[in-house]
Amino acid sequence: EPEVTQTPSHQVTQMGQEVILRCVPISNHLYFYWYRQILGQKVEFLVSFYNNEISEKSEIFDDQFSVERPDGSNFTLKIRSTKLEDSAMYFCASIPKPPEAFFGQGTRLTVV
Amino acid sequence: DAKTTQPPSMDCAEGRAANLPCNHSTISGNEYVYWYRQIHSQGPQYIIHGLKNNETNEMASLIITEDRKSSTLILPHATLRDTAVYYCIVRVVETNAGKSTFGDGTTLTVKP
Repeated sequence: EPEVTQTPSHQVTQMGQEVILRCVPISNHLYFYWYRQILGQKVEFLVSFYNNEISEKSEIFDDQFSVERPDGSNFTLKIRSTKLEDSAMYFCASIPKPPEAFFGQGTRLTVV
Repeated sequence: DAKTTQPPSMDCAEGRAANLPCNHSTISGNEYVYWYRQIHSQGPQYIIHGLKNNETNEMASLIITEDRKSSTLILPHATLRDTAVYYCIVRVVETNAGKSTFGDGTTLTVKP
């Protein structure tokens, strides 16, 4: 069964550094999303990407964040100048048609 | 999005049916009910969705009341691997359905 792959599974970074989280969505899917989940809290929507551009973003997704699909397959989330409060699980999801989202296993980001 | 209310936790005996309720009394006519689950620290997993008719797939059944103000997710023969947090979400599918607010959900514990 096809699956969404996220790398790395765990990333430790120093405060102020930039990180790039990578996702390989399922081919032929049209919609791509990033979510985050701070430990013990709810899964929060960050941004959606459709037709090679951001279609919607939450208030969390500020100028610190950016997304790209540089080569038509990988889907990346970049966090510039990380803060302690950015520590969370970050999930990528791809959707062939709403609402049947396929989620990756997540990247645990720890900012120290 | 219509607000949903779910019990915070439920227990179920292994092999028995697990019935997870969800109230969505403010649901509007074009909003679907859909369910996801999150097994500890993993990415959310889509389960099922419906508009007004009952739905069944290989994972579960979804029963929606005639007035659509509540629904029940049924896992017919719960196993220990079904222990997870179950999220009921109401949203218009035709819009950017990935922008889902995952609430607190119901923590289902399946016991031997």
